[in-house]
Amino acid sequence: DAKTTQPNSMESNEEEPVHLPCNHSTISGTDYIHWYRQLPSQGPEYVIHGLTSNVNNRMASLAIAEDRKSSTLILHRATLRDAAVYYCILGYGQNFVFGPGTRLSVLP
Amino acid sequence: DAGVTQSPTHLIKTRGQQVTLRCSPKSGHDTVSWYQQALGQGPQFIFQYYEEEERQRGNFPDRFSGHQFPNYSSELNVNALLLGDSALYLCASSLILPDNSPLHFGNGTRLTVT
Repeated sequence: DAKTTQPNSMESNEEEPVHLPCNHSTISGTDYIHWYRQLPSQGPEYVIHGLTSNVNNRMASLAIAEDRKSSTLILHRATLRDAAVYYCILGYGQNFVFGPGTRLSVLP
Repeated sequence: DAGVTQSPTHLIKTRGQQVTLRCSPKSGHDTVSWYQQALGQGPQFIFQYYEEEERQRGNFPDRFSGHQFPNYSSELNVNALLLGDSALYLCASSLILPDNSPLHFGNGTRLTVT
C-alpha cells in the first residue's frame, strides 16, 4: 500500500483558513486521495476525495499537486467543531490503510 | 435517516472468551466494512462484506470472522480473545459502486479484554 506522510499536529485560530498537507511520493496512477476526519469519541467522517483535479465540496477543498506526489486539504474557515484528527489515505476501492493522521487544534 | 448504528457501545470480556459485535448500515447501503482502532492509532481494515460474502480481508487472523445478513446488517465475531484485541471496533457502510463510494462510519464498540 502506498504510504502518506502528515504532520503529527497543527494549530489554527477560529475563523481562519487551515491548510493540512499530505505527502505521498509513491502514489500509483490508480490511487485516489481520500480525506477523513475523526472527532473525539466518534467514528471517522468522510471529508473529500479526488484523483487528479482539485475538488471542492461543502466541507472543504482538496488541492492536488500536478505530479500527484502531494496534496493539501483546505478548510476555508476553521470552527471549533473542526478540531479533529485528519487522515489522508491513498487507495482504490474501499479498504483503507489509515495512518496516525494530523491532530488539528482550533483556538478560539 | 439513521446513519450507521453499532451495538453494544461498550463491552468487557475475559481473555479466551468469544464476542459478537453488531452493525446496521446506513439506509440504502449494501456493503459493510469492519475496522479495528487501537488507542492512539488510526483504524485498521479487518474485512468487507457484500452480498453476504467476505469480499476483501486485511491482515487479521482467522479468529476474526464475520457475517452479513440479507437485510445488509452485519456481525463481527472474535474468538479466543487476547488482551491485544482491546480496541474500538468500527463498522462502516457504503455502496459497492462506484468503487470509491465514501464510507460512513458508526461510532464504534469499545471492547476491553481483561
